[in-house]
Amino acid sequence: DSGVTQTPKHLITATGQRVTLRCSPRSGDLSVYWYQQSLDQGLQFLIQYYNGEERAKGNILERFSAQQFPDLHSELNLSSLELGDSALYFCASRRDMNTEAFFGQGTRLTVV
Amino acid sequence: AQSVTQPDIHITVSEGASLELRCNYSYGATPYLFWYVQSPGQGLQLLLKYFSGDTLVQGIKGFEAEFKRSQSSFNLRKPSVHWSDAAEYFCASDNAGNMLTFGGGTRLMVKP
Repeated sequence: DSGVTQTPKHLITATGQRVTLRCSPRSGDLSVYWYQQSLDQGLQFLIQYYNGEERAKGNILERFSAQQFPDLHSELNLSSLELGDSALYFCASRRDMNTEAFFGQGTRLTVV
Repeated sequence: AQSVTQPDIHITVSEGASLELRCNYSYGATPYLFWYVQSPGQGLQLLLKYFSGDTLVQGIKGFEAEFKRSQSSFNLRKPSVHWSDAAEYFCASDNAGNMLTFGGGTRLMVKP
């Protein structure tokens, strides 16, 4: 158990819908990262938050947004969903920039 | 931009044989380097990490990796593979605090 909790584990939704994925980092970790894993794109970095502030942005679509709350949990919002958004979404947390990242079990999103 | 290359998409080894998974990174300075393992349907588990110091690092499950600056490589090794090692392995680099960049992964199959 990495200590990073992601909910839900599985999500099936229709095209055009909006979903929210939740991540609780390890206790004391200030940084949260979101990654998308798909068969054709591999592991793609989406966005990083540090102590509530956006720190870095990767290949995140405009339809996607995220935030980190004062209690340090983070949510990834995916809207106007398309079939191609079906993927595993991982959250990772990190204590500081000189330590390793720990990953959650992921949320498997299926868009039908 | 930094990149990580894992030249081997699939590798098959016999149980008990030695293993080496290749990883090359591109980054001007010495990055932080990691190997993660992902079993089917699971999250990513950290095997080992390199930040600085001794270029041969030991990890969990009997794995080790060697950082070679001259070759921009961080290859993962195990002297004797077990059937339970069958999984996908990801090399990742981090330019001191920003997002982890992952290689495309190497899927390891173990023959009995």
